[in-house]
Amino acid sequence: GQSLEQPSEVTAVEGAIVQINCTYQTSGFYGLSWYQQHDGGAPTFLSYNALDGLEETGRFSSFLSRSDSYGYLLLQELQMKDSASYFCAVIDRGYFNKFYFGSGTKLNVKP
Amino acid sequence: SQTIHQWPATLVQPVGSPLSLECTVEGTSNPNLYWYRQAAGRGLQLLFYSVGIGQISSEVPQNLSASRPQDRQFILSSKKLLLSDSGFYLCAWSAGSGGDYEQYFGPGTRLTVT
Repeated sequence: GQSLEQPSEVTAVEGAIVQINCTYQTSGFYGLSWYQQHDGGAPTFLSYNALDGLEETGRFSSFLSRSDSYGYLLLQELQMKDSASYFCAVIDRGYFNKFYFGSGTKLNVKP
Repeated sequence: SQTIHQWPATLVQPVGSPLSLECTVEGTSNPNLYWYRQAAGRGLQLLFYSVGIGQISSEVPQNLSASRPQDRQFILSSKKLLLSDSGFYLCAWSAGSGGDYEQYFGPGTRLTVT
């Protein structure tokens, strides 16, 4: 089966840097994705890692260590609009891609 | 460009009543399609996925079923709703043939079973 662990809640101030960790256990691991979900909305894709290392997309970066079954999402220069839930998701590539999501981390950005 | 539609946006149904939620995708062919349920404050639970017309796989045993009558149409159904079926139902698609790592979500249906 698959299991993913993330902190349930993180609080940071505007302009700061925050890191959201994700550890996973899964068979057939292909990659790790991150999604953002604002209250009442649908998840939207942020980033993806298939190989070890850091991927940078603007203010957001994502890191993966396959040997440690661990990844993180780094958010820099936090803005109030970054207040949302963030989900890591493992991609299980068997016949086709299946996505398994963590329980999410609620990020509260304070002024 | 691709778009994904879900309806209805909200639904209140009594216990024991039937359910039909519909999802359609535009602007792409042969997508992989997925149904998720999200309980309040929780993560997304994968319910069903489909690689093609009539091909449905279920992740968890439950009171729900899914069908894919057309390439870009995915339907979630129940004959008799339970209180535990309440939640936020999300349809999503990804590129077929295992070629994409990104999922695109519809706006969701918020179902309350009373």
